[in-house]
Amino acid sequence: TQLLEQSPQFLSIQEGENLTVYCNSSSVFSSLQWYRQEPGEGPVLLVTVVTGGEVKKLKRLTFQFGDARKDSSLHITAAQPGDTGLYLCVGGSGGSNYKLTFGKGTLLTVNP
Amino acid sequence: SQTIHQWPATLVQPVGSPLSLECTVEGTSNPNLYWYRQAAGRGLQLLFYSVGIGQISSEVPQNLSASRPQDRQFILSSKKLLLSDSGFYLCAWSVRSGDSPLHFGNGTRLTVT
Repeated sequence: TQLLEQSPQFLSIQEGENLTVYCNSSSVFSSLQWYRQEPGEGPVLLVTVVTGGEVKKLKRLTFQFGDARKDSSLHITAAQPGDTGLYLCVGGSGGSNYKLTFGKGTLLTVNP
Repeated sequence: SQTIHQWPATLVQPVGSPLSLECTVEGTSNPNLYWYRQAAGRGLQLLFYSVGIGQISSEVPQNLSASRPQDRQFILSSKKLLLSDSGFYLCAWSVRSGDSPLHFGNGTRLTVT
């Protein structure tokens, strides 16, 4: 059974601060997806990383896939209240989608 | 563009009552369809997935069932709800290739009383 451990589980910061969320596993994944979910809504895809060592940027968000494709990180620069939400990392195994492995999420609160 | 509709948004049902949640997708053909349950705003648990009409796979034995009567329609049902069925239910679709991203509906908050 593949597991994805996300840390921290909860994070409360002030507007303007930087933060990093981690997603770790002992298993190798063919891809790593990051989603953000706002209260009462479904998760929305932010990015997919597929190559070991890959770095992708989405405005103030930087995503990195570990060289060995077992871990990933999300770094947010100068967080804003609009970044508040549940961040989920999801590992893909290269086969059918239903074998995606979900982390339990990091609940981020950015206070104005 | 593709859209996914899920309803109702909220539902309060007594224990022992039946359940029917519906999900439809527009703008795509032959999608994979999924039902997930999310507890307390945390990780998602896959309940059912479908790769085609009438093809349903269950991931977790439970009090629920799913059906796919049409290509872009996915239904989650129960004959008799339990208290433990309360939660946030999410429908999603994806294309059938590799680790395609999931596209989620806005969910149904089910409270069983």
